[in-house]
Amino acid sequence: AQSVTQPDIHITVSEGASLELRCNYSYGATPYLFWYVQSPGQGLQLLLKYFSGDTLVQGIKGFEAEFKRSQSSFNLRKPSVHWSDAAEYFCAVGASYGNKLVFGAGTILRVKS
Amino acid sequence: DAGVIQSPRHEVTEMGQEVTLRCKPISGHNSLFWYRQTMMRGLELLIYFNNNVPIDDSGMPEDRFSAKMPNASFSTLKIQPSEPRDSAVYFCASSRDSGNTIYFGEGSWLTVV
Repeated sequence: AQSVTQPDIHITVSEGASLELRCNYSYGATPYLFWYVQSPGQGLQLLLKYFSGDTLVQGIKGFEAEFKRSQSSFNLRKPSVHWSDAAEYFCAVGASYGNKLVFGAGTILRVKS
Repeated sequence: DAGVIQSPRHEVTEMGQEVTLRCKPISGHNSLFWYRQTMMRGLELLIYFNNNVPIDDSGMPEDRFSAKMPNASFSTLKIQPSEPRDSAVYFCASSRDSGNTIYFGEGSWLTVV
């Protein structure tokens, strides 16, 4: 069965600084990997996904993530954070043969001005 | 296109009452998921359907929980009787094909007092 670890529960960055949120997964086959963002009181919005091909994927709102099979990681990055990026971010892994997604515990991002 | 539609958005009910949460998936999507989100346990998959058939209900916490999908455009999650520990946000999500992106509704915020 697949699993996801997001080691950082909270992260605080200054507006304009770069951001990296960590995600490690466990799955025996080729994973489908996702990053979702959740603003307070809202549902989950897809930022980006990796299925195959180029290991550096671009998403919405200026986010990108890099799949590193050797490290079982799929870290999310943004070169310059905006105050509106403050939210909770979830990494998720899906099986290649089905849709079932397993989510990490989430990382809460706080942006200070 | 309309997204995943959930109702009610918010519900407060007394312990012992029956609760029914409703979901309309995105038109054309053939997989539907019910997730529960709590502070303690994060996002948990309760059950998912493919072509209206329950595929995996291993996440349903106990017999008080039941889910149905009578047709491709409607699903319910029922809790009977409800208990305070059922208080959570319940998300419905849908996707088109195996391994494809899962889209979430805005959630039903349940409080059992």
